[in-house]
Order: sequence, then structure tokens, then C-alpha cells
Amino acid sequence: GAGVSQSPRYKVAKRGQDVALRCDPISGHVSLFWYQQALGQGPEFLTYFQNEAQLDKSGLPSDRFFAERPEGSVSTLKIQRTQKEDSAVYLCASSSTRDTQYFGPGTRLTVL
Amino acid sequence: QQQVKQSPQSLIVQKGGISIINCAYENTAFDYFPWYQQFPGKGPALLIAIRPDVSEKKEGRFTISFNKSAKQFSLHIMDSQPGDSATYFCAASARAQKLVFGQGTRLTINP
Repeated sequence: GAGVSQSPRYKVAKRGQDVALRCDPISGHVSLFWYQQALGQGPEFLTYFQNEAQLDKSGLPSDRFFAERPEGSVSTLKIQRTQKEDSAVYLCASSSTRDTQYFGPGTRLTVL
Repeated sequence: QQQVKQSPQSLIVQKGGISIINCAYENTAFDYFPWYQQFPGKGPALLIAIRPDVSEKKEGRFTISFNKSAKQFSLHIMDSQPGDSATYFCAASARAQKLVFGQGTRLTINP
């Protein structure tokens, strides 16, 4: 079936605006992860869901970042009052079996 | 202790040669070690993965070598092709949770 999808693929925001990034995991995948990838760097963990429960949010850089997965499928990462340092690619990954994470294409966020 | 260190940062290999990328970790709780391949504008794609109970895993032209005592693992790409030119990331996780990634290696295969 289809892989992990993310929307929008590109987002330009003015500093101070709120943004919402969407992730559609592979159907039936229990686990969902969000990562942030700065230019030229490896992805860095933000948060992790198992079904609708957010089990780990230790990677969220500030309280401006918020994620939810209310029905255990689609997830939204929200960033309030965006700052220039939030500019990055935001990657979503999902997993059904132990360990293997499948990544979406990412959302490139540019904050002006 | 959560870091995974990857080297080299960039690598140029002639077509048909062997590409070798190395990673080292500190956290002995890590129990899963995948390698991801990423092309520009795309998300990382799983290439091959290994668990610490084996020392080597081979899939086609790709081989992971794992040294548990040294806490090191490496990716070997045999008969490297121009289509292999991409950025490669090693990663590690414990108990099926978050992946900790290395810094990446930009691989260029010259025709």
C-alpha cells in the first residue's frame, strides 16, 4: 500500500505565525515518530506516539511545539509563534513491527 | 551517551569500488542498528539493519559489519554505482523507540 505521507511538502511562514504539519502513517502502524532535520544534519527525535498515547516528548525543543494523534492514526505537529531557528525539514515515521521505521518525504519549513 | 558518531563526513569512490562508512556508539542499551539512504528532497529510506547478536549481515551489495565489544558498526557497499550517490545515515535505538542518528556521510560515486 501507500507509504507515509506528509503535508504540506513545503511551508513558508512569517516569524510569529503558527503552523500545523500533518502526517498520515502507513495504515495499521501503531507507532508514529516525529523528527527534525536541520540542513546537512541527521534527523533528531522530537516525539513518539503509540496509538493515541504520546509516550515520549523529550525531544520537543520548547513549549511552542505540540503534537497530537487523537485517533491513533493521523498526527499533527503544531508549532506556535514560529522562530527562524525552527526552519528545518520535519520528518514523520511510522512502524508496525519491532524497530523498523518508515519515513515520509518530510515537510520543509522556512520561517522568514 | 546517546550519541552515534559517524565518519567520514564525505566520501568519493570510483565506480566499481568499495564504499565504507563507519559508526561508533556509547549506549550499551542500543539493540537495533539500521542504515538509511537519503536522496535530496526525499525522506530517509531503510537500507539494511542489524541486531547485536550477529556480527555481519549482507543484502545484495550492502553489508553491515558489527563489533559489539568495540561498540562500532560499518556499512560496506560493494561494486559502488553512480546511483548509490546519496547521503547515508547510521542510527541506533533501544527497545523499539526513538532512533539516534549519526551526522551523515555524503557519498559520491564517480563514473
